Amino acid sequence: DTAVSQTPKYLVTQMGNDKSIKCEQNLGHDTMYWYKQDSKKFLKIMFSYNNKELIINETVPNRFSPKSPDKAHLNLHINSLELGDSAVYFCASSQVPLGGEQYFGPGTRLTVT
Amino acid sequence: AQSVTQLDSQVPVFEEAPVELRCNYSSSVSVYLFWYVQYPNQGLQLLLKYLSGSTLVESINGFEAEFNKSQTSFHLRKPSVHISDTAEYFCAVMGAGSYQLTFGKGTKLSVIP
Repeated sequence: DTAVSQTPKYLVTQMGNDKSIKCEQNLGHDTMYWYKQDSKKFLKIMFSYNNKELIINETVPNRFSPKSPDKAHLNLHINSLELGDSAVYFCASSQVPLGGEQYFGPGTRLTVT
Repeated sequence: AQSVTQLDSQVPVFEEAPVELRCNYSSSVSVYLFWYVQYPNQGLQLLLKYLSGSTLVESINGFEAEFNKSQTSFHLRKPSVHISDTAEYFCAVMGAGSYQLTFGKGTKLSVIP
């Protein structure tokens, strides 16, 4: 009965490959997010969807594309992976985007070799 | 736009001693403030938040933070730490009317037996 789940937990792949990370929340929340945490633990928002509509689209390479098939899912697809994409990617959700507590998934550690 | 400065990247403290983790923010609009905790190899969990009302907010595990508007601060305190408090602590700010949560760079709290 995990609130926010991500798959896979670990992802090791080679440069140039295309990969996807999946996120699902069973909290009934309307808003979902993707964050990137670098090796120094710095967290940066990448994207956010509210009711399947993109509301935050930070400056990230267009190799990264979020997809929200429904309110409970927000997937992250990455094309042509680069070494600098290695990081931990966190999915989160909140009931409301303004002032709402965000619930985080366990993270996906992506290693690009 | 908002920004957050966590003044200490690492704070070592002996068990049962008090601790303060400092957080300052910058914003041209009113803000919501949060402290999140990240235990090793886990996602972030909300520790406490300030949305409005009383400027002193408390968590269920003994932490408290005080919103100081004049000093633009939201420092986190605990009068007596436990080994289990060892974790990374992140201060975050959301501007009123914004969907975006901006995180500080984190403070690693290490509790020494």
